[in-house]
Amino acid sequence: EPEVTQTPSHQVTQMGQEVILRCVPISNHLYFYWYRQILGQKVEFLVSFYNNEISEKSEIFDDQFSVERPDGSNFTLKIRSTKLEDSAMYFCASRLPPGQSLYSPLHFGNGTRLTVT
Amino acid sequence: GESVGLHLPTLSVQEGDNSIINCAYSNSASDYFIWYKQESGKGPQFIIDIRSNMDKRQGQRVTVLLNKTVKHLSLQIAATQPGDSAVYFCAEYSMEYGNKLVFGAGTILRVKS
Repeated sequence: EPEVTQTPSHQVTQMGQEVILRCVPISNHLYFYWYRQILGQKVEFLVSFYNNEISEKSEIFDDQFSVERPDGSNFTLKIRSTKLEDSAMYFCASRLPPGQSLYSPLHFGNGTRLTVT
Repeated sequence: GESVGLHLPTLSVQEGDNSIINCAYSNSASDYFIWYKQESGKGPQFIIDIRSNMDKRQGQRVTVLLNKTVKHLSLQIAATQPGDSAVYFCAEYSMEYGNKLVFGAGTILRVKS
């Protein structure tokens, strides 16, 4: 079964440093997402991406965050200057476009644990 | 506002019993709901979904019930197994929220052998 893959599984960085989290969505999916989960809390939406542009973003997704689809397979999340409170699990997800069923579920990767020290 | 909540943060059941995990959602305009299972160190795993034009949907050992009148969603797991131990999230989708799923707070399911 195809799956979303994320690298690295764990990233440790110092406050103020830039990080790039990488994702390979499922190949025939067209919608891409980043969510984050602070330890013990719920999964929070960050951003959605379709047709090479951001379609939705949350208040969390400020100017320090950016997303990119640099080629036909990768989808990245960049944090320009990390803060302590950016420490969390970051999940990438993808889904099919609405077809005859109109809605389709998001499929998630296993996440990157980001630790900012 | 955007709010999908769970009343019971932890549910303990005996192996072999049936489990019921509940979820209250606040947006009456939500029209698509998904249950996810999250095991330790992993991402949310799709279990089952339901559209708002249905009130029940069955999968393998799982059933989702939707009561739009009281904005309530439940996940029933038959013959619960130790491998079912995880955190379970409900998530809702509404055009009002745009192109995203909104997750609830999660319920921990512990299966006792």
